[in-house]
Amino acid sequence: GAVVSQHPSRVICKSGTSVKIECRSLDFQATTMFWYRQFPKQSLMLMATSNEGSKATYEQGVEKDKFLINHASLTLSTLTVTSAHPEDSSFYICSAGTGEGYTFGSGTRLTVV
Amino acid sequence: KQEVTQIPAALSVPEGENLVLNCSFTDSAIYNLQWFRQDPGKGLTSLLLIQSSQREQTSGRLNASLDKSSGRSTLYIAASQPGDSATYLCAVKGNTPLVFGKGTRLSVIA
Repeated sequence: GAVVSQHPSRVICKSGTSVKIECRSLDFQATTMFWYRQFPKQSLMLMATSNEGSKATYEQGVEKDKFLINHASLTLSTLTVTSAHPEDSSFYICSAGTGEGYTFGSGTRLTVV
Repeated sequence: KQEVTQIPAALSVPEGENLVLNCSFTDSAIYNLQWFRQDPGKGLTSLLLIQSSQREQTSGRLNASLDKSSGRSTLYIAASQPGDSATYLCAVKGNTPLVFGKGTRLSVIA
C-alpha cells in the first residue's frame, strides 16, 4: 500500500529557532498533502493543504508566516515552524490522499524549550 | 460545517469481548468514511475505508458499517485482544478535507 514517511519523529529545539519537518510519499506521487496538528488527547486539526507547485492553503487561525509550507516536488512537502515558542510544542502529522483513502505519516513530536 | 462525534470517549473491556465503537456525523453529503487506529505518540494507521455507496467493509476481526442517511457508522471488533488497545478515530470526507472525531480510547484487559 501507499506509504508516507515523515521525519524527524522527535525534535527538541530552543525557543526562537526554526524547525523543518519533512513528509515524503514513498511509492506514489502526491499533488496534495495535508498538515495536521494534534494536542494531547485531542483529535487532529487540519492546519493547511499543501499543493505541489503552488502556495499552500491555510485553515482559519493558522499563521502562514509562522508555519511555512513548501511542496516543491510530487513526493515531498515540508513544514517549517519559524521562531518556535513553547506553545508550538505539539504533535504534527502529514497525510496524502491515495486511491485507498488517506495515508498518514508517523508524526513528529516537537518540543520547544 | 461538518461535525464528527465519537461515543464512547473511552472504553475498557476484558480480553475476548466483542465491542462496538460509534461515529456520527452531521452532514450526510460525504464521499467516504475512514476508520483509523492511533497508538500513543504514533501516526495513524488506516483500518477500513467505506465509500458513500457502500454499507460495510470487513477486514479480519474488524467490520465497519455506514448508514449515510442517518449520519452514522460503527466499528465492530470481534474477540478483542490486548493488542487492540489504542485510540480509534473516524474521519469523513466531503467537499472539505477530512474531518475527524475526537476518538475512542480502547483498553483491552488481559
